[in-house]
Order: sequence, then structure tokens, then C-alpha cells
Amino acid sequence: DQQVKQNSPSLSVQEGRISILNCDYTNSMFDYFLWYKKYPAEGPTFLISISSIKDKNEDGRFTVFLNKSAKHLSLHIVPSQPGDSAVYFCAAGSLTGANNLFFGTGTRLTVIP
Amino acid sequence: GVTQSPTHLIKTRGQQVTLRCSSQSGHNTVSWYQQALGQGPQFIFQYYRKEENGRGNFPPRFSGLQFPNDSSELNVNALELDDSALYLCASSLAPPLGNEQFFGPGTRLTVL
Repeated sequence: DQQVKQNSPSLSVQEGRISILNCDYTNSMFDYFLWYKKYPAEGPTFLISISSIKDKNEDGRFTVFLNKSAKHLSLHIVPSQPGDSAVYFCAAGSLTGANNLFFGTGTRLTVIP
Repeated sequence: GVTQSPTHLIKTRGQQVTLRCSSQSGHNTVSWYQQALGQGPQFIFQYYRKEENGRGNFPPRFSGLQFPNDSSELNVNALELDDSALYLCASSLAPPLGNEQFFGPGTRLTVL
């Protein structure tokens, strides 16, 4: 049973425009959410996180929004750059539970120059 | 950073395999994940202070060790075809969850 879902396997965006990657989760015990970026032949790299006490977290060009009632989060990248082309994974966990992360299946972002 | 060895490995069904991970300096927690083709990483288990500190939905033939220098091994016995995957190791500061996990590049295991 997939507790974290990324329903868009791929996304293409023009350079300079906004990229919006979406993620849904089913487990209401999740209270900590992360986005990872993965290039081929490399491990996932942490990008940004958010805890359930917030609904928005920004770090430079990257902003994560959390809608707890809808069990939905999104990652906004503005402006998108060709170097952002990678697979993006959404992950979730519980700060008071087991120390493991549940990952989505990933969205491949292609930023077109 | 986090290093893993070997990079690639080919085994046959029924064999045993050991994968290795060196954690980032200063980190004493190591987590292992399995990433099947087209899927996201799935948590196998975590080691903290040489003890298993949480386990995902994997059978006992998946076992691990953490050494005094905080490096770690993942052992898989009686390999099955479905064990073919990318195995990722991640290190972090001590639990709880919330400390950033740094991933290695992974070991690609193929079971024939």
C-alpha cells in the first residue's frame, strides 16, 4: 500500500517558468515531509523539508506548501533552471514514530532551455 | 560524504550478498533502503549505536550490522529474483527523525 503518492511520473517546464511538483499522502500520522532530488548514478539529495506545524517553507528558489486537510504537499521551483532537471522524490515520516521515511515513486522534471 | 561498495553486483538466486556503507563523518545513524525499478526507496532498517532501531516490511533474511566506526553492512541471504534493486544507504545524526539523511550513490544488485 503506497502511503505517499506522486501521480505525475514526468513534468516538462520552460526555463525561467515555475515548476510545481505534487505529492499526496494517506497516513495521518505523518508530520514531517521532505523533498529529495536525484540525478542518475547518484543518491537522493535533500532539498527542503516541512513539519506539520507549518504550511509553507521557503529556501531560495524552492518552496514547499503543505495542506494537511487535503493530505497534499507541493514543491514550487521558481525560476526553473536546466540544472534542476532530475527526479524529485517526496518523502514523509513521523517525528514521534519509527525513524524511517516513506517515499513516493518520483517525478522526473525536465527544464527546457 | 557517504560511500557504498560495490557499485554493481550480480548474483544468482539462492546466494548470499553483503553490501557495505561508510557513513558521513560525525554521523552515527545508518539507514538502508531498497529502490526497485520505477519505485521510490523503501525503508529496510536503521542502525543506531550498533543496534537495529526500526525496521520496515522486509523478511529476516535481510540483516545488518553497524561497526564501531559507524560504518554498516547489509546482508541478504537466500537471494530471490525480486531482490534485484538499487540499495541505498543513508547516514544522519542521531534519531529522532528530522535530522537530514545523506544518501550514498547506491549499490545496484542484479539477481539472475
